[in-house]
Amino acid sequence: IAGITQAPTSQILAAGRRMTLRCTQDMRHNAMYWYRQDLGLGLRLIHYSNTAGTTGKGEVPDGYSVSRANTDDFPLTLASAVPSQTSVYFCASSPTSGGQYNEQFFGPGTRLTVL
Amino acid sequence: AQTVTQSQPEMSVQEAETVTLSCTYDTSESDYYLFWYKQPPSRQMILVIRQEAYKQQNATENRFSVNFQKAAKSFSLKISDSQLGDAAMYFCAYRSYNTDKLIFGTGTRLQVFP
Repeated sequence: IAGITQAPTSQILAAGRRMTLRCTQDMRHNAMYWYRQDLGLGLRLIHYSNTAGTTGKGEVPDGYSVSRANTDDFPLTLASAVPSQTSVYFCASSPTSGGQYNEQFFGPGTRLTVL
Repeated sequence: AQTVTQSQPEMSVQEAETVTLSCTYDTSESDYYLFWYKQPPSRQMILVIRQEAYKQQNATENRFSVNFQKAAKSFSLKISDSQLGDAAMYFCAYRSYNTDKLIFGTGTRLQVFP
């Protein structure tokens, strides 16, 4: 069982380019999340999806979009990358959303550098 | 809105000693969860321990325990018998009862010296 996979592991990108970070989970979890991690700021939620077909905005959604066409995949797209989007991006998933405790499982992260 | 504060950017401890990492949070909710995550140099986020707000008893997981003070909105992590493998970034996180969205603190980097 792989859990959560993210691709690429790292990427250097020119400003203005479009980039999609991929996230796939094989645990059949309903809920999925995208966080960015910046030095001194911890992890901040970008977008989330409580179930396939639905998405929602987190704390820092501007400049990012997501889609959830099926249960397993939750890609994050930067339509036109800017240097302030240089960060480490984590995808996470949990069995359900809300209510009783559900552990959130994290992927290995993608390090993105925008020049 | 809820916030999580970790006021110690860095901490250090001698191997086999005990260290306590601090975390405070702000919320108007009565039902919630609190977590400590460990992030070693591998970057992987690892859940260390969790606490349900409705439970008065402090959570314990082997060498890791918490001191949960609900009225003071404080949630500290105690690591006993520190090991070299405990060296990592530690993040405190909050989750409302009705959502799985986590709110993280800024982290504490723990160094363990032999």
